[in-house]
Amino acid sequence: EPEVTQTPSHQVTQMGQEVILHCVPISNHLYFYWYRQILGQKVEFLVSFYNNEISEKSEIFDDQFSVERPDGSNFTLKIRSTKLEDSAMYFCASGWTHEQFFGPGTRLTVL
Amino acid sequence: DQQVKQNSPSLSVQEGRISILNCDYTNSMFDYFLWYKKYPAEGPTFLISISSIKDKNEDGRFTVFLNKSAKHLSLHIVPSQPGDSAVYFCAASRGGKSGAGSYQLTFGKGTKLSVIP
Repeated sequence: EPEVTQTPSHQVTQMGQEVILHCVPISNHLYFYWYRQILGQKVEFLVSFYNNEISEKSEIFDDQFSVERPDGSNFTLKIRSTKLEDSAMYFCASGWTHEQFFGPGTRLTVL
Repeated sequence: DQQVKQNSPSLSVQEGRISILNCDYTNSMFDYFLWYKKYPAEGPTFLISISSIKDKNEDGRFTVFLNKSAKHLSLHIVPSQPGDSAVYFCAASRGGKSGAGSYQLTFGKGTKLSVIP
């Protein structure tokens, strides 16, 4: 059964450094998403990507964040200058319509 | 701004009995509702969903009920099994803007279900 994969599983970085989180969505899906979950809090929407462009983004997704789908299979989330408060689990998801299928997540720790 | 609320942080149920997880929402624009199950250190796993035009959807041991007038939905698991022990998230979606664009999910805080053997 196809699944969403994410790498790395855990990323540790220093405050102010750039990080790139990688995802391979399910290949025939049309919509791609990033969500995050800060420890003890709810899963929050960051951004959606459809037809090779951002279709919606939340208030969290500011100028420090960007997404790319460079080669038709990978889907990346870049944080340009990480802050302590960016420490969270980041989940990639993909889907056809409402139902979304999530990857296992990348735990980002900013020191 | 809690548009999706799961007011019970935890629930314990005996194996074989029914588990009922509840969820309330405030945004009338939501038109699709989903339940996800999550184990520690894993991503949410899709369980079952329901469109706002229906009031019930069933899949094996899992049934979701929607009461639009009360803005309430519930997930019933029967019979409950120890492997069902996990955190259950209610999520809501509205159609994408301009006909296509996004089905972003708004999640509740989750209910931790413990099924006791």
